Amino acid sequence: DSGVTQTPKHLITATGQRVTLRCSPRSGDLSVYWYQQSLDQGLQFLIQYYNGEERAKGNILERFSAQQFPDLHSELNLSSLELGDSALYFCASSVVPEASSYNEQFFGPGTRLTVL
Amino acid sequence: DQQVKQNSPSLSVQEGRISILNCDYTNSMFDYFLWYKKYPAEGPTFLISISSIKDKNEDGRFTVFLNKSAKHLSLHIVPSQPGDSAVYFCAASGMDSSYKLIFGSGTRLLVRP
Repeated sequence: DSGVTQTPKHLITATGQRVTLRCSPRSGDLSVYWYQQSLDQGLQFLIQYYNGEERAKGNILERFSAQQFPDLHSELNLSSLELGDSALYFCASSVVPEASSYNEQFFGPGTRLTVL
Repeated sequence: DQQVKQNSPSLSVQEGRISILNCDYTNSMFDYFLWYKKYPAEGPTFLISISSIKDKNEDGRFTVFLNKSAKHLSLHIVPSQPGDSAVYFCAASGMDSSYKLIFGSGTRLLVRP
C-alpha cells in the first residue's frame, strides 16, 4: 500500500460525458502528479500540482483539467469524453516537486475509465 | 517522439536464472533514471534508481547499470523468482524535462517455476 488513494476504482460512462477522478496523496506529500496509461502503452504524464499550484504540464488535452485543493487532494476532470479516453489514470505523490535522487513518486492503484 | 524506449515487450526466464531488462533513451539531458514494477490492478511501485553520476546501483537482487555513452540502462534481477513476474517500466527525468518522469512502454517479465 503506497498510501496514495484514488477513487473510483472503475468508471464506465458514455461519449460526451464528464467525469471527475479523485486522488488523495500520502500524508505529508505536497506534490501530486497525474498520468494516463492507454492499452499496452507507458505512462504518459498529464499534469503536476505542488501545494495547490500547477507546477508542470505534459500532453494534457484541453478537455482535461485538474486542481489541487487546500487539503492537498487533487481532482482530474475529463469532459466531452471520447472513446480514445478509455485508459488507466494514475495519480502519484511526492514530498518535493522535482524528480531527483531524493524524491520518489508513490503511485495510487489507478482509476480504470471506460468510455462506451 | 519516444524519449525512453523499452524495445522488448516481454521476457520469459526460468526461476533462479538472471533476468535482464533493457531501456534506451535519447535525451542526453536526463540525469536520473528509475525502474518501477507493476502488478495487475495495482499502481507502479518504485524499485530502484540511479543517478547519472553513477554507472551501477545495487539493492539486494536488483542491480541497475547505466551506460551514458550508449544512452542505455539495464535492470538485472538475480536470482529471478516467480513473484518477480510483473510489468517493469523504465523512467527518466532531468532538468530538460522539467523533472517530469518520462516512462518507457514497459516489459512484461514472466518467471517460470
